[in-house]
Amino acid sequence: DGGITQSPKYLFRKEGQNVTLSCEQNLNHDAMYWYRQDPGQGLRLIYYSQIVNDFQKGDIAEGYSVSREKKESFPLTVTSAQKNPTAFYLCASRSRQGAETQYFGPGTRLLVL
Amino acid sequence: KNQVEQSPQSLIILEGKNCTLQCNYTVSPFSNLRWYKQDTGRGPVSLTIMTFSENTKSNGRYTATLDADTKQSSLHITASQLSDSASYICVVSVWGGKLIFGQGTELSVKP
Repeated sequence: DGGITQSPKYLFRKEGQNVTLSCEQNLNHDAMYWYRQDPGQGLRLIYYSQIVNDFQKGDIAEGYSVSREKKESFPLTVTSAQKNPTAFYLCASRSRQGAETQYFGPGTRLLVL
Repeated sequence: KNQVEQSPQSLIILEGKNCTLQCNYTVSPFSNLRWYKQDTGRGPVSLTIMTFSENTKSNGRYTATLDADTKQSSLHITASQLSDSASYICVVSVWGGKLIFGQGTELSVKP
């Protein structure tokens, strides 16, 4: 069963806590992306990675960190510096630059306790 | 500034009726335009993709049009079904890879 998986589906964060969202893909895609989705707004790019061991900041990277140690995995850590983390987080992957479509995972909803 | 604007924000229609969603963009240099469908609490799924030279693209009951001169696109849904209830997102790709997302149109199909 190929595709992108994200876990957990729901995640609760306490004040001052770092939490990590998982994203795994078995599509053999080189590029992976993290987006944040808030009600009434378009998806906003947090971080992206075009190759293993390399990643770039997106439009709203502050308060987030990522790693890309394996081609299949691109975890996102929401740090305590992110003051408004409540949102729906989407991971995506793409095989190469150009017209190739981004494939999205099912998302993780992060809530603050 | 690269922007994608969608209208209406939300729409309610009766099952079996047709509807059209709009997308206006100011993106340069333009590479392609995609429409995605996003069910509540799920990730977006691609419906269509159109490049500069394509005017229309169909996927079952979904038909997308593109007017590159006026920088407008529309998504027409024919004979709507309850399962069409979702958010529809217009995404424009800048040449070089960056994606610009619209805020989405929330469609609700009622029986």
